[in-house]
Amino acid sequence: EDQVTQSPEALRLQEGESSSLNCSYTVSGLRGLFWYRQDPGKGPEFLFTLYSAGEEKEKERLKATLTKKESFLHITAPKPEDSATYLCAVQAYGGGSNYKLTFGKGTLLTVNP
Amino acid sequence: GAGVSQSPRYKVAKRGQDVALRCDPISGHVSLFWYQQALGQGPEFLTYFQNEAQLDKSGLPSDRFFAERPEGSVSTLKIQRTQQEDSAVYLCASSLAWESRGTQYFGPGTRLLVL
Repeated sequence: EDQVTQSPEALRLQEGESSSLNCSYTVSGLRGLFWYRQDPGKGPEFLFTLYSAGEEKEKERLKATLTKKESFLHITAPKPEDSATYLCAVQAYGGGSNYKLTFGKGTLLTVNP
Repeated sequence: GAGVSQSPRYKVAKRGQDVALRCDPISGHVSLFWYQQALGQGPEFLTYFQNEAQLDKSGLPSDRFFAERPEGSVSTLKIQRTQQEDSAVYLCASSLAWESRGTQYFGPGTRLLVL
């Protein structure tokens, strides 16, 4: 069974204080790893897709990396508007269900001014 | 352009009532997904459509849950005889790629509260 574990559950940073969020996964074969941002009362907003170990993607202050066992979301010099829950999800090969996303519980990030 | 839309945004139901939740996917998106998100949890897969065909309904928690997409665009998730444990946010997502590797784009969700 595919599993996704995110840590920490909650992270509080000061504005400008860089840090990383972790997503550990167990899948039979990885089709893709997805990062989403979710604001209170809204649906998840797509950030990145990573397909193979060693791949990296960047968007503004965010950088996502992928290894064979985990992914990191690095946040450089965060601003208060980066406060949100960050969700990690995997899409796996095989089992006749290579389209569904399996999500972690998310990391609640709070950035104080 | 327009994203995925869902209605109603909020629904309060008395235990035992039937409810219907609507999803309008992004125009031209072939794949459509329903997820359930409990408070403080990540979304969990319910069901998947490719055009009008429901290819996977393995995540539906009971036979009280039913989903349809008769013309391959708008989808409706129906819950019969609602129970308190059905209270959650129901998210709809759509994807362009028919081979299903495409990115899934989510709507704002319908927050269901069963009293």
